[in-house]
Amino acid sequence: NSKVIQTPRYLVKGQGQKAKMRCIPEKGHPVVFWYQQNKNNEFKFLINFQNQEVLQQIDMTEKRFSAECPSNSPCSLEIQSSEAGDSALYLCASSPQISNERLFFGHGTKLSVL
Amino acid sequence: GQGVEQPAKLMSVEGTFARVNCTYSTSGFNGLSWYQQREGQAPVFLSYVVLDGLKDSGHFSTFLSRSNGYSYLLLTELQIKDSASYLCAVRDGGSFNKLTFGAGTRLAVCP
Repeated sequence: NSKVIQTPRYLVKGQGQKAKMRCIPEKGHPVVFWYQQNKNNEFKFLINFQNQEVLQQIDMTEKRFSAECPSNSPCSLEIQSSEAGDSALYLCASSPQISNERLFFGHGTKLSVL
Repeated sequence: GQGVEQPAKLMSVEGTFARVNCTYSTSGFNGLSWYQQREGQAPVFLSYVVLDGLKDSGHFSTFLSRSNGYSYLLLTELQIKDSASYLCAVRDGGSFNKLTFGAGTRLAVCP
């Protein structure tokens, strides 16, 4: 069973609406990644954090998403204005250190934008 | 650029074996991982390789050839429950060890 907790499991939004999802990383894991997995199973890296700091993010994330990992609160990923193409499984993964060989994934939030 | 390629589907028979191939290109190779993902579930880590050669982990073995940008995951004594997607992911040491995933190979194990 995954120790990375993602909520909600399913999210349905209309185009133009905000869509927010949360992730509680495994205890003691300061490194967090967000990936988008589309219907063709393709993974797209979105952003990663070490503690509260953003390490890297793609252009799309910078412009249309807001993400944070505050101390003592769940990490979050929010799409400011949802588009149909955002429909996907959003996977959060955590790791004890940036150089660790293994990521621990949550079950994901499946977003459907109608 | 960086890319990871895997065949989309693979079929094999219970009790035999299956080899899932992965080819990649990267500017700062720092290891390759394999994950198993069942439908609607979280990807689960299987193996990590960074040196050339075969790494035997029992039911799963992994092979890496860095000069050819190639790896495979070998599953032996297949069981029906091995039916799942198998994801190859390459780490880029020059990019905060970001993992670039392939789209996965969906393995179907038939009786």
